[in-house]
Amino acid sequence: NAGVTQTPKFQVLKTGQSMTLQCAQDMNHEYMSWYRQDPGMGLRLIHYSVGAGITDQGEVPNGYNVSRSTTEDFPLRLLSAAPSQTSVYFCASSYSILVREGRYVADTQYFGPGTRLTVL
Amino acid sequence: GQNIDQPTEMTATEGAIVQINCTYQTSGFNGLFWYQQHAGEAPTFLSYNVLDGLEEKGRFSSFLSRSKGYSYLLLKELQMKDSASYLCAVTHSDNYGQNFVFGPGTRLSVLP
Repeated sequence: NAGVTQTPKFQVLKTGQSMTLQCAQDMNHEYMSWYRQDPGMGLRLIHYSVGAGITDQGEVPNGYNVSRSTTEDFPLRLLSAAPSQTSVYFCASSYSILVREGRYVADTQYFGPGTRLTVL
Repeated sequence: GQNIDQPTEMTATEGAIVQINCTYQTSGFNGLFWYQQHAGEAPTFLSYNVLDGLEEKGRFSSFLSRSKGYSYLLLKELQMKDSASYLCAVTHSDNYGQNFVFGPGTRLSVLP
């Protein structure tokens, strides 16, 4: 198994450009999420998904879009890049357990290697 | 809201024992994870506490007190390769179930 893969590893954008960060996992995990990591602030949740067709916002969703058309893929789109989006982006996946109707519990998360994004 | 606090940096000597504390305030608490992150790499799972008490995994142990909103990670027989950041993460109930909130991380330096 490749685990969680992310592309690209590095990216430089100009302000206003758009791009998509790719994330894929081959472990058949239902739960996938995107984080950004900035110095001194830890990992902050951007968006997450509990399964194909279901996504929700995390702590810092502004300026980012996601979709989940398949179990394997969870791309993150930057609509109009800003210098404040300079960060390291991590995708993570885990099994989720349905505890009751419509509500899930996420198991241990596995992280991709990260994408280092610079916006000039 | 959710709030997690950890010391920013710690230093210890090879072969020693170090305890990294984590305090949290959260609604809908479900469990607490510890992750290790080496510089320039992704976080990797260390331990998970749901109930009060101590969980031991080799040189690493993690303790949880839900009533005090407190956890610690204990690293024994420190090795140079343990120099890394240690992230405390709390899981809490959200729209669809459970999500993770990470603390700022504790950077541990192990000296010879």
